[in-house]
Amino acid sequence: EILMTQSPATLSVSPGERATLSCRASQSVGSNLAWYQQKPGQAPRLLVYGASTRATGIPARFSGSGSGTDFTLTISRLESEDFAVYYCQQYAASPRTFGQGTKVEIK
Amino acid sequence: EVHLLESGGGLVQPGGSLRLSCAASGFTFSSYAMSWVRQAPGKGLEWLSFISGSGISTYYADSVNGRFTISRDNSKNTLYLQMNSLRAEDTAVYFCARDSRPYYDSGSDFDYWGQGTLVTVSS
Repeated sequence: EILMTQSPATLSVSPGERATLSCRASQSVGSNLAWYQQKPGQAPRLLVYGASTRATGIPARFSGSGSGTDFTLTISRLESEDFAVYYCQQYAASPRTFGQGTKVEIK
Repeated sequence: EVHLLESGGGLVQPGGSLRLSCAASGFTFSSYAMSWVRQAPGKGLEWLSFISGSGISTYYADSVNGRFTISRDNSKNTLYLQMNSLRAEDTAVYFCARDSRPYYDSGSDFDYWGQGTLVTVSS
């Protein structure tokens, strides 16, 4: 099983600032990496797939990068609706595994 | 518009059974693999099970293998999860999710999710 490790667990950021979230895989997943956003009481929402391709309707302030074992999700200028928990997920191998999440909170 | 709606959750005693359903609409259901993912209270996401578009291929996480069975009825556009021998640690919100790539059974990201149904296992 591929272990996905996200850091930090919590990120405190002011609106308008940049947020950088990290995700590391225990072995190479190529570009088979997705990022999701989840708000309280809601289902996860796909943000990025293929490590760097934004999903339909996702604002350009969200960008993904990386390949192999190290990945980054960057939110260029945080808006109020961006404060949420973010998960990475690999789909290179079964079982498809998620990271434990990074909570982006208002500073 | 793609829509997934789970149902069937509720309170069940340890050792009991429950069947979840996920009604799909807005797309050609049989063309897409589907999965179940759960989230224990205050915890992260855990993938549980996958079924190919045809229903021929299925996969399970170790945590539920042998206790849970995924199935689908493409004539009814519905996905199921039969859960037996339930344990307290199965308490979670259960989501159905669509694999993003049609006609692809090797796993992909999840582009659409239902809102989830809560399963509580307690005496």
